[in-house]
Amino acid sequence: EAGVTQSPTHLIKTRGQQVTLRCSPISGHTSVYWYQQALGLGLQFLLWYDEGEERNRGNFPPRFSGRQFPNYSSELNVNALELEDSALYLCASSRNRDQPQHFGDGTRLSIL
Amino acid sequence: GIQVEQSPPDLILQEGANSTLRCNFSDSVNNLQWFHQNPWGQLINLFYIPSGTKQNGRLSATTVATERYSLLYISSSQTTDSGVYFCAVGVPSGTYKYIFGTGTRLKVLA
Repeated sequence: EAGVTQSPTHLIKTRGQQVTLRCSPISGHTSVYWYQQALGLGLQFLLWYDEGEERNRGNFPPRFSGRQFPNYSSELNVNALELEDSALYLCASSRNRDQPQHFGDGTRLSIL
Repeated sequence: GIQVEQSPPDLILQEGANSTLRCNFSDSVNNLQWFHQNPWGQLINLFYIPSGTKQNGRLSATTVATERYSLLYISSSQTTDSGVYFCAVGVPSGTYKYIFGTGTRLKVLA
């Protein structure tokens, strides 16, 4: 069974640019979650999608957005990038909200 | 909102030692997971344990939901156990949320 896949693995952007990160869940999983992990810190919940709908979002500004496609893959978009957006962005999937989450290897985003 | 606190924040062990990591949460939760984040940043599922006790090799975990805590036991530690251990909870109150604990950074010395 293929795990959660994320792309790209690394990304370098400059302030003010926009970025799109992608996530493919494990087959059979309909819930996708996005987390931000700044260097040396814990994971902050960003977004949760299930069955194509945004179910909840964490305490992040509106320039963080995303969507889930009919095949349950997901995109995370970040507009007007700021230096503090530099972080590891992790995607996870699960069968539903009360089942274990499985994580991808993440996308490391650096803002110059 | 719910607080999820882990202790100790840092732990250094000699190879072969045993340890207990603790996760306290301040409100009722629907589920609880333990993860190991290796030095390369990968998050590895250890246990999905909303209640009860589970064991997997040298690792075991116990969650006492009524008392709002979970414990992760590591026996006969190895250098490959080094990394950060996180607990994460699913919170049903209000709009469902997922909260990660503050983490325990473990270093196992050869």
